[in-house]
Amino acid sequence: GENVEQHPSTLSVQEGDSAVIKCTYSDSASNYFPWYKQELGKRPQLIIDIRSNVGEKKDQRIAVTLNKTAKHFSLHITETQPEDSAVYFCAAQGPVTGANNLFFGTGTRLTVIP
Amino acid sequence: NAGVTQTPKFQVLKTGQSMTLQCAQDMNHNSMYWYRQDPGMGLRLIYYSASEGTTDKGEVPNGYNVSRLNKREFSLRLESAAPSQTSVYFCASSELITSSGNTIYFGEGSWLTVV
Repeated sequence: GENVEQHPSTLSVQEGDSAVIKCTYSDSASNYFPWYKQELGKRPQLIIDIRSNVGEKKDQRIAVTLNKTAKHFSLHITETQPEDSAVYFCAAQGPVTGANNLFFGTGTRLTVIP
Repeated sequence: NAGVTQTPKFQVLKTGQSMTLQCAQDMNHNSMYWYRQDPGMGLRLIYYSASEGTTDKGEVPNGYNVSRLNKREFSLRLESAAPSQTSVYFCASSELITSSGNTIYFGEGSWLTVV
């Protein structure tokens, strides 16, 4: 099955700096890559996603890039703010099947220092 | 529209006790899931139900059972709780498991401690 690795496990940045979280996946058939944000004590929520036919996607201060050849994708947060502090999970989803095909990384705890 | 609701939010169990976590969604989703979250381990799938009437094992099913009661409800049962089952449990749902790119919506989580 799919194996998703996520790095780093913890990340501290100064407010206003950029943060980058990287993930790799093993199954070349994976074609959908969502990112979830989980604030302390809260539920994970989707913040951005990208499909395999797109190399980059932006939404205000966050962006995701995908390199299918290298099988890795990254989350970029610019102009970080204290409210960006959270745990971020990447995930990879395989092609259409009748079974579960969504696999999560182990998470990155981002701390934005005011 | 409450989304995904799960109960209880907090529970302390003694080793060997049993309990059921309840989950319901009001988004008319076909697929439902139970995940556990442990420090450094991310979200691991325990069981899922692709559609009403079906259930399947995920990555870590041992020690758990599930019931898809109807389209809205999906419960998780610990028959004989063990300290290793101390975790945060998340119920989730999505429109259709077979659709690539379908968003998964999570409940608020249930904090379970087994002593």
